[in-house]
Parts: sequence; C-alpha cells; structure tokens
Amino acid sequence: EVQLVESGGGLVQPGGSLRLSCAASGFTFSSYWMHWVRQAPGKGLEWVSRITSDGSSTSYADSVKGRFTMSRDNAKNTLYLQMNSVRAEDTAVYYCARDDRYTVTWWGQGTLVTASS
Amino acid sequence: QSALTQPRSVSGSPGQSVTISCTGTSSDVGDYNYVSWYQQPPDKAPKLMIYDVSKRPSGVPDRFSGSKSGNTASLTISGLQAEDEADYYCCSYAGSYTWVFGGGTKLTVL
Repeated sequence: EVQLVESGGGLVQPGGSLRLSCAASGFTFSSYWMHWVRQAPGKGLEWVSRITSDGSSTSYADSVKGRFTMSRDNAKNTLYLQMNSVRAEDTAVYYCARDDRYTVTWWGQGTLVTASS
Repeated sequence: QSALTQPRSVSGSPGQSVTISCTGTSSDVGDYNYVSWYQQPPDKAPKLMIYDVSKRPSGVPDRFSGSKSGNTASLTISGLQAEDEADYYCCSYAGSYTWVFGGGTKLTVL
C-alpha cells in the first residue's frame, strides 16, 4: 500500500526557514515524479512544486519560485521541501503526493506550516 | 498560473445527479487530456476520483464520470449518496511541468 508521511511543519516567523520531509513506502520511490501541494486554511488546493524521479529537474509555482527548493534522497525514500524567506501567505497544510503520468495520484495526510510572528 | 474556475457550491437530493464544471484556458484544460478530479472530505486529504479526463481509478464507483469540451471539464455524480458530500477539486496539467487546481466546489447532499 502506498504511504506518504509528511513531517517538519510548525510555527515559523516571517522571513524564516523550514524544511519539510515526506517519507514514502509501499512503492518504488525512485521510479516516480513527486509533488508538493498546499492548502491554506479554509481555502483551495494550490500546486507548489514537482521533481523528477532522479531529482535532476524541478519546477515551481510562481508564488514560491526562488524561495522554495524541492529535493529528494532516493536511498532514504524521502522527499524534501526547503522553505526560505517564508511569508504569512505560505501558511497552509502541505501535502506530498505521487505523480502518475502527469496526474497527482496518491496523497499524504499533510503537515501544517504556520508563518506568524 | 490562474486557478481553474469551479462553482463554489452545488447541491442535490439523494438519487439525483449533479455536474460540477471546471473552466480553464486553451493553455491548460483545452490543451491537455491530463484533467483529474479529487474528493476531499472535511479535514482529510484529497482522493483521486477521475484522471485523464474520464478514467476512474480502481475502487471508485462508476457513479462518478468525467468529460471535457473545449476549455471546460466536468465531473458528474449520478445516484447521489450522503457519503458523496465533500469538496471537489479539478486539476489540469498546464505545460512546462506546472499544474493548476480549481478553486473547489462544495457538494451538499440535501
């Protein structure tokens, strides 16, 4: 069974940094693209970033480009999102998710990031 | 990267059918058949219900169906059941390895 477990969320001051992790199991992690998708409190889903299976290529939403960096460690079956220069509007539940042929398929349960002073 | 447009809410009685629309542009919904739909109950993670415009993953009831015409995709739920009450989101590949979601639709089963 596919399992994705996010961690690392919490309270961060505006301008600060935070690193999210996502532990994957139940599938061959190194064979799949992965995504981060976020959801602000009471709001809709927003795609954040994608990484290729070998980690050689990433893409980002304009809202986070230049501030967030997505990476992965296939030996550890773990996905990361490094969040720098965090803003209040980055407050959201962050989900990691698996990609299957350009479709976001399996989702984790999410980790909450709150950017506030 | 503007969000796809969905109605904020739809409703229907048990047994009825409802359709949720998802309008994008010729750069996303209109240009790719990578349109998917997700069901999200309150305080839970989204679940894939439809992919590639009209395909259903294993385990999703055939009461759920998807279609697309031009820049607009649609999700139809027939034979509404109380358990279908949730938020629904569409998503489309938008080129250059980016994706865009709709704003979400709250389905109320009366």
